Amino acid sequence: QVQLVQSGAEVKKPGASVKVSCKASGYTFTTYVMHWVRQAPGQRLEWMGWINTGNGNTKYSQKFQGRVTITRDTSASTAYMELNSLRSEDTAVYYCARVEMSTISYWGQGTLVTVSS
Amino acid sequence: QSALTQPASVSGSPGQSITISCTGTSSDVGSYNLVSWYQQHPGKAPKLMIYEVSKRPYGVSNRFSGSKSGNTASLTVSGLQAEDEADYYCCSYVSSSTWVFGGGTKLTVL
Repeated sequence: QVQLVQSGAEVKKPGASVKVSCKASGYTFTTYVMHWVRQAPGQRLEWMGWINTGNGNTKYSQKFQGRVTITRDTSASTAYMELNSLRSEDTAVYYCARVEMSTISYWGQGTLVTVSS
Repeated sequence: QSALTQPASVSGSPGQSITISCTGTSSDVGSYNLVSWYQQHPGKAPKLMIYEVSKRPYGVSNRFSGSKSGNTASLTVSGLQAEDEADYYCCSYVSSSTWVFGGGTKLTVL
């Protein structure tokens, strides 16, 4: 079955960077687009961007353009989301999520990133 | 891209039906039949409940249904059960291959 297993919680200082991984299993990794979505404490889901895991093409939300980079390692069936210049408002749970049926269908368990001095 | 507009909260008694609205614009909800709905229980990842406006993934109860009119999509939950109490989010495709979520609605089963 489809599984998306994300890396563990992170604590970062303001101005630092964080890189979250998402290891996929149960399907052919390069067949489906992978999205990243975040959720600040008590707040709504917020779409960040996606990567075509087959050719590496990406698309980012304007809000995060220039600060986020989504990559993938096809040999490891793993997608990554790196966010730079962290600030306290970036404290959130970050999810990877795979597309199927033309929408975001399968979700990872989430990774809590805490930004604090 | 602004978030889609959802009511902050809705409530209903067991057995009743409720409807959650999701209002966007002609650039997102109004232009594409790519509206999805997600259920999220506290501390858990979202779960897909409806896709392409009105389709249910395998395993999702037929008590959940979706529709769309103009720039507004709706999720209806019929025969409310205690386990339906959760946050619900709509999501729509937007032009230029981007996506947007709604603000979320807390469903309380009284």
